[in-house]
Amino acid sequence: EIVLTQSPGTLSLSPGERATLSCRASQSFSSTYLAWYQQKPGQAPRLLIYGASSRATGIPDRFSGSGSGTDFTLTISRLEPEDFAVYYCQQYGGSPWTFGQGTKVEIK
Amino acid sequence: QVQLVESGGGVVQPGRSLRLSCAASGFIFSNYALHWVRQAPGKGLEWVAVISYDGSNKYFADSVKGRFTVSRDSSKNTLFLQMNSLRPDDTAVYYCARDGYTYAYDYWGQGTLVTVSS
Repeated sequence: EIVLTQSPGTLSLSPGERATLSCRASQSFSSTYLAWYQQKPGQAPRLLIYGASSRATGIPDRFSGSGSGTDFTLTISRLEPEDFAVYYCQQYGGSPWTFGQGTKVEIK
Repeated sequence: QVQLVESGGGVVQPGRSLRLSCAASGFIFSNYALHWVRQAPGKGLEWVAVISYDGSNKYFADSVKGRFTVSRDSSKNTLFLQMNSLRPDDTAVYYCARDGYTYAYDYWGQGTLVTVSS
């Protein structure tokens, strides 16, 4: 099983600042199978990034993903008020599909 | 538009059973694999099960293996999760999610809450 560890657990930033979220895997896998989701309170998660760096439909270009092997990053270039949420990475390479524990981006 | 709508959640005693449904619309149901993902209160996301587009392949998380089964009915465009021998740690919001051909879940339902408590 691939374990994903996200850091930091909480990121306290102000609107307009840059957010950098990390997702580290216990073993290497193809970046094709790395996705990022955003979840707001009381809502279902929403797909942001697939294939480590491809934005999903309708996702603003301030969201970008990068990485390979065991280290992946989600960057939000300039935080908008609606971006304060919890973010999860996921590996989609096969059973069991696993998620990181999440990074909460909160308003400083 | 693509919609996934879960139902069937509620309060159930430990050891009892419950069946969740996920009604799909807006896409060709039989073309997509579908997953169940759950989220315990205040916790992160946990993958539960997957069923292939034609129902021929199914996989389960170790935490539910032998207790949960997954099925689909293409005539009704509905996904099911049969949960048996429920335990308090199965308490969670259960989401169905579509495998979007991009190795990610491109659509999610709104979730249905299952509470296992005596």
